[in-house]
Amino acid sequence: QSALTQPASVSGSPGQSITISCAGGSSDFGDYKYVSWYQQHPGKAPKLIISEVDYRPSGISYRFSGSKSGNTAFLTISGLQSEDEADYYCCSFTDDSFYVFGTGTRVTVL
Amino acid sequence: EVQVVQSGAEVKKAGESLKISCQWSGDIYTSYLIAWVRQMPDKGLEWMGIIYPSDSDTRYGPSFQGQVTISVDKSISTAFLQWSSLKASDTGIYYCATRPPTRTHFNVWGRGSLVTVSS
Repeated sequence: QSALTQPASVSGSPGQSITISCAGGSSDFGDYKYVSWYQQHPGKAPKLIISEVDYRPSGISYRFSGSKSGNTAFLTISGLQSEDEADYYCCSFTDDSFYVFGTGTRVTVL
Repeated sequence: EVQVVQSGAEVKKAGESLKISCQWSGDIYTSYLIAWVRQMPDKGLEWMGIIYPSDSDTRYGPSFQGQVTISVDKSISTAFLQWSSLKASDTGIYYCATRPPTRTHFNVWGRGSLVTVSS
């Protein structure tokens, strides 16, 4: 089970929008809605920010949004802020009923 | 609100055994699942496996099948991750996380248990 592919790093200036991709095979994504995203600040535990492709849990900023097209999921952060600087991971529940995480993307706010 | 508390850091030698724990609060065992996730030093997240506390049904990630054992003791609201013979490559942070019923995401995470194995 190979990890889903994410760009190693993405950067942007404060106020800009950035998008992180998460690519896998057709079996990796299983049902359309089984993709979630996690934010991890250095030395901290991961935190759920998007579930079921595009659902934002209570308490998560509206600046985070998710989408999916074919076998690629996307996380967009709009109005980039310094506190968004962190590592981001996608995760999918596969056709084989396994979970697979993405390789992770480090977001840098310039 | 569901919360999980993990056991503390461990320092072990290769070949030793280890069992770390994840205690949940709230009456979740009847429907929630508990997953374990590894993060090796300066690396990404890896799904190790998941257990359904209600009946102890367990599923392991392909890379971890036969390498670790996941178990649960409902009487003390605690899930466990154990190794019978540690390797230096087992060094890392191990997180437990809850998965709500009928969903596929992990909504509540523990702070992680740091395991250091010397060769």
